[in-house]
Amino acid sequence: EPEVTQTPSHQVTQMGQEVILRCVPISNHLYFYWYRQILGQKVEFLVSFYNNEISEKSEIFDDQFSVERPDGSNFTLKIRSTKLEDSAMYFCATSGRAGFNEQFFGPGTRLTVL
Amino acid sequence: QKEVEQNSGPLSVPEGAIASLNCTYSDRGSQSFFWYRQYSGKSPELIMFIYSNGDKEDGRFTAQLNKASQYVSLLIRDSQPSDSATYLCAVKGGNNRLAFGKGNQVVVIP
Repeated sequence: EPEVTQTPSHQVTQMGQEVILRCVPISNHLYFYWYRQILGQKVEFLVSFYNNEISEKSEIFDDQFSVERPDGSNFTLKIRSTKLEDSAMYFCATSGRAGFNEQFFGPGTRLTVL
Repeated sequence: QKEVEQNSGPLSVPEGAIASLNCTYSDRGSQSFFWYRQYSGKSPELIMFIYSNGDKEDGRFTAQLNKASQYVSLLIRDSQPSDSATYLCAVKGGNNRLAFGKGNQVVVIP
């Protein structure tokens, strides 16, 4: 069964450093999302991406965040200057269609900012 | 701001019993409703989705939707120890973002 994959599984970084989290969507899916989950809290929407552009972003997704699909397979989330409060699990999700929009989640990247 | 509420605390059920989980949402324009299962330290796994009022059954799981009352529920029949997890209710409105509740922890006691 096709799956969303994410790398790395765990990323440790120093505050102020840049990180790039990578996702490989399910192959025929066209809609891509990033969510995050701070330990013990709700899963929170960050951004949605379709047709090579951001379709929606949340209040969390400020100027330090960016997304791109550099090569037609990977979907990346870049955090330019990490803060302690960016420590969380980051999940990539993908969907094959708009409308009802079942979203399938990858295994996540645990980001720890020291 | 869409709100999704899952207010009940951890639910302990004996193996073989029915687990019942409830979720309410604030956005009356919400269109699609999802239940995800999340094991500790893992990602959300989609187990059920429902779009129309009424019941939808898939194996041991039944989702129930009542748009007039703005609630959606999940029943797990014949609960198994492997069902022990946190169950997340998620709601999609007119855009494509999912709004999640905090989740309900289910513990199935052998």
